[in-house]
Amino acid sequence: DVKVTQSSRYLVKRTGEKVFLECVQDMDHENMFWYRQDPGLGLRLIYFSYDVKMKEKGDIPEGYSVSREKKERFSLILESASTNQTSMYLCASSLAGYYGYTFGSGTRLTVV
Amino acid sequence: SQQGEEDPQALSIQEGENATMNCSYKTSINNLQWYRQNSGRGLVHLILIRSNEREKHSGRLRVTLDTSKKSSSLLITASRAADTASYFCAMERNNDMRFGAGTRLTVKP
Repeated sequence: DVKVTQSSRYLVKRTGEKVFLECVQDMDHENMFWYRQDPGLGLRLIYFSYDVKMKEKGDIPEGYSVSREKKERFSLILESASTNQTSMYLCASSLAGYYGYTFGSGTRLTVV
Repeated sequence: SQQGEEDPQALSIQEGENATMNCSYKTSINNLQWYRQNSGRGLVHLILIRSNEREKHSGRLRVTLDTSKKSSSLLITASRAADTASYFCAMERNNDMRFGAGTRLTVKP
């Protein structure tokens, strides 16, 4: 089975801190994605990547950046965490083409 | 953005009944997918229907797609308490995907 692993299940950070959320997949998927999920808003796409060193902005990239130095790892970076970035962050991966996504278990980030 | 809208937002039924959830979207798509999320966890892929398909089955799941109306429905037959979860439709186009806000299904034993 494909596995997508997010490094932390729960995270508490202070306002202004630089935060790294790590995501690793083990099935050689080309595509990787970062979403945030908030009540009533569903999942919103932050960034995605189709290949190593490639990145594309999603719908809400402001305040975030990403890094994909290796195919299996896609990192989400909060440059200066703010309270409005408190959310559930979900990483997903997929094969190129029309296939379903495999999601990680999520990281619930609280910024205080 | 091509986020979908799901209807209803919440649904409560008795075990054994059927549950129907609907999804509408705005732009053309390559395929539409349904996912399930148990409370506080990641999403699990349930079923994918391509834009040239009209109906698909998987176990107790039945999905329909009407591209002329830009809508889809997910039917869960003979529901069980373990089906309690949130269900999301997701529209894929050009290798990226947008999600609806989800339907919260509660199945009472």
